Amino acid sequence: EAGVAQSPRYKIIEKRQSVAFWCNPISGHATLYWYQQILGQGPKLLIQFQNNGVVDDSQLPKDRFSAERLKGVDSTLKIQPAKLEDSAVYLCASSLDRGEKLFFGSGTQLSVL
Amino acid sequence: GESVGLHLPTLSVQEGDNSIINCAYSNSASDYFIWYKQESGKGPQFIIDIRSNMDKRQGQRVTVLLNKTVKHLSLQIAATQPGDSAVYFCAERQSGGSNYKLTFGKGTLLTVNP
Repeated sequence: EAGVAQSPRYKIIEKRQSVAFWCNPISGHATLYWYQQILGQGPKLLIQFQNNGVVDDSQLPKDRFSAERLKGVDSTLKIQPAKLEDSAVYLCASSLDRGEKLFFGSGTQLSVL
Repeated sequence: GESVGLHLPTLSVQEGDNSIINCAYSNSASDYFIWYKQESGKGPQFIIDIRSNMDKRQGQRVTVLLNKTVKHLSLQIAATQPGDSAVYFCAERQSGGSNYKLTFGKGTLLTVNP
């Protein structure tokens, strides 16, 4: 069974630029999550989709972050414009059941200079 | 703030010893708990989970214990190996409404000395 795929693996941008991350979840997983992990901390949930609908985006900085999950499969997370404090690893995860046994991708390491 | 925390940020053990990683949670409504292992440069990897109607669950070389009275969760690793060296996170699911949010603690770094 293929795991959660994410790209790119690394991204370096300057502040105020925009960036996008892509995620392909495990086939059949209805729930998809984007987490932000700052160095030395646990992952923090940014947004949670159930199929192509948002069920929780309470911690998503909506003035600069956006995410979509078209057709209930792949998802993209965008930051525009980026700030220095956005430097982190962005993890995508998927699960069969909501909030249970999440499978994570390898993440995208973002550096904002 | 975080409702899931850890007693020890780092743990160093000798190869072959048993390891115990602890986690405290504050939300009595949490109904599901999970442990993840994260190696450097990788995403978190599922280890074991437990529901709130259980006290103990065993896997291969790992055991999770849940004490709801004191809101405490622990992960026991038997015969710890160098490959077990990683950061370990506990997470709790706060169910309610239409979403089931998984909240992670800060993590414990486990170092296994050969």
